[in-house]
Amino acid sequence: NAGVMQNPRHLVRRRGQEARLRCSPMKGHSHVYWYRQLPEEGLKFMVYLQKENIIDESGMPKERFSAEFPKEGPSILRIQQVVRGDSAAYFCASSTQRSTEAFFGQGTRLTVV
Amino acid sequence: DAKTTQPPSMDCAEGRAANLPCNHSTISGNEYVYWYRQIHSQGPQYIIHGLKNNETNEMASLIITEDRKSSTLILPHATLRDTAVYYCIVSPDGGATNKLIFGTGTLLAVQP
Repeated sequence: NAGVMQNPRHLVRRRGQEARLRCSPMKGHSHVYWYRQLPEEGLKFMVYLQKENIIDESGMPKERFSAEFPKEGPSILRIQQVVRGDSAAYFCASSTQRSTEAFFGQGTRLTVV
Repeated sequence: DAKTTQPPSMDCAEGRAANLPCNHSTISGNEYVYWYRQIHSQGPQYIIHGLKNNETNEMASLIITEDRKSSTLILPHATLRDTAVYYCIVSPDGGATNKLIFGTGTLLAVQP
């Protein structure tokens, strides 16, 4: 039973490009959460999704960031027109509906040059 | 706006028990206490959670005070691999969400 899979593990983008981060939840998990960890800072909640629905996006920046979790396939966190301040580790977690714990992936480290 | 307060760092000798404190004086009656840890550069890992009773699993024990305003995570026999940042999180349960509000945590350094 594979854990939460995130890819790519490392992503380098030039300023102004788009970044797409993928997260495949654990088998049987229908809830996905994205977190961002800026250098030397703690993890910050970004968005909570269920299949085809955004449940809570209170932590998402208002512009350039979007997330989806389609009926088929992985969850995608999309960052348009990246800037240097977007450089961070982005973690995805998944859980079942009544889960008491979230399982985290190993993260995607985005570097904007 | 984390609801918890933890010391920024602690040391522990290898093989000894590590006791990590957490204050959550504003906790509500239906809010659970969760502990996660993050080993350098890895994703956070769930350790344990509880409501008001003490809990134990294969990783750790959680002691919650009777008034629920503070708790202690106990790693009974710390190893070098337990060196990590430990996060105490107060989170409403009900199972519908695992939206976690991480604070700054405690960096536990296990010394050989």
